[in-house]
Amino acid sequence: EVQLVESGGGLVQSGGSLRLSCAASGFPFSSYWMTWVRQAPGKGLEWVANIKQDGSEKYYVDSVKGRFTISRDNAKNSLYLQVNSLRAEDTAVYYCAREGGYSLDTWGQGTLVTVSS
Amino acid sequence: DIQMTQSPSTLSASVGDRVTITCRASQSIGSWLAWYQQKPGKAPKLLIYKTSSLQSGVPSTFSGSGSGTEFTLTISSLQPDDFATYYCQQYNSYPCSFGQGTKLEIK
Repeated sequence: EVQLVESGGGLVQSGGSLRLSCAASGFPFSSYWMTWVRQAPGKGLEWVANIKQDGSEKYYVDSVKGRFTISRDNAKNSLYLQVNSLRAEDTAVYYCAREGGYSLDTWGQGTLVTVSS
Repeated sequence: DIQMTQSPSTLSASVGDRVTITCRASQSIGSWLAWYQQKPGKAPKLLIYKTSSLQSGVPSTFSGSGSGTEFTLTISSLQPDDFATYYCQQYNSYPCSFGQGTKLEIK
C-alpha cells in the first residue's frame, strides 16, 4: 500500500523552529518528486515547496523562501521540511504529497504546526 | 505568480443534480490543471489531472475540461459522498498554486 506519514508538528513560539518529516512506503520513493502543501485552519490549500528525485532542484513559494528548507533522504524513504523563523501565519496542517503526472496523487494525513505569539 | 480563481465559492445542490465548478487562471497554463476533493478533517484526494484525465478509482460521474485559462469540473449526477470542498491546482509554473476552493453543500 502506498503510504505517506507525516510527523514533527507541534506548538512552537513565534521565531522558533521545527523539522517536519514524512515517511514514505509502498512505492519507489527515489523515483518521485515530492511536495509539501499546507492548510491554515478553515482556509484553503497552499503549495509550499517541492524537491526533485535526487534533491538537485527545489522550489518554494515566496512567503517561505529563506525560512523553510525542503530536503529528502532516499536511503531512508523520507522527506523533510525544516521550518525556521516561524510566524503566526505559518500555523497550518502541513501535508506531504507525491507528485505523479503533474498532480499530487498521494497525500499523507498531515501534521499540525501551531505558532503562538 | 499565477493566480487561480474558482467560482462559485459555495454551491448548493441536491442528490442527482449536475453541477459545474469553474477555475480561471491569471495566465495560460495549457492543460496543466488538476482537481482535488477534500472532506472535513481529511487530506485532499486527486480526482482529475492534466485537465481531463480521471484518476484511477474516481467515478466516471466526474469529468474535467478546458484549456488555457478557463477550466471546469463537472459532476454529472451528484451522490451523497460528493458533498465536499473542491480545489483546482495549476502545474504550469512555480509556485504550483491552488484555487481558493468551492464548497459543495446539500440543498
